Amino acid sequence: KAGVTQTPRYLIKTRGQQVTLSCSPISGHRSVSWYQQTPGQGLQFLFEYFSETQRNKGNFPGRFSGRQFSNSRSEMNVSTLELGDSALYLCASSYGSSNEQFFGPGTRLTVL
Amino acid sequence: QQQVKQSPQSLIVQKGGISIINCAYENTAFDYFPWYQQFPGKGPALLIAIRPDVSEKKEGRFTISFNKSAKQFSLHIMDSQPGDSATYFCAASMISGNQFYFGTGTSLTVIP
Repeated sequence: KAGVTQTPRYLIKTRGQQVTLSCSPISGHRSVSWYQQTPGQGLQFLFEYFSETQRNKGNFPGRFSGRQFSNSRSEMNVSTLELGDSALYLCASSYGSSNEQFFGPGTRLTVL
Repeated sequence: QQQVKQSPQSLIVQKGGISIINCAYENTAFDYFPWYQQFPGKGPALLIAIRPDVSEKKEGRFTISFNKSAKQFSLHIMDSQPGDSATYFCAASMISGNQFYFGTGTSLTVIP
């Protein structure tokens, strides 16, 4: 089985712009979670989608949003980028309500 | 508020030695405790996980020790190898959901 894929792998944006990141889960997985990883804060939970519905949400501002499509692929959008949004954004998928999450390689976002 | 506290931040161990990483949690509703291993440029990969109904779980050279009363759990890597050099994250979640709370990570270096 192919693993979790994320595109693009690297992204450079400037402050004020918006960005959309994509995640394709493992085939058959219906849950997709997004995390922000920074050296100082570690992995911070953004949100989780299951069957196209947001099921859980972390403590991030409304500039961070996401969605999931009927094929379980998910996108994450960050609007009005700030310097502090520079991070590795990780997507993880799991089967149903299983706790076992499989992570993708991440998208490295740099905001200048 | 850090729901899962991890220590040490970094660890240097001789080849063949034992690496020990500790985590503590606050929320007694957590009932799933995984450990992830992350190499540079890669997403975290599930290493081993434990549920609170057992005090220890062993898989190869990796062992989780779990102390429910103290709300602590630890990862022991026996016979540490240079290939084990990576960042290790502990995490916690509730079996009813997929929201994971991660520790801040431990950078392990195993020197030959």
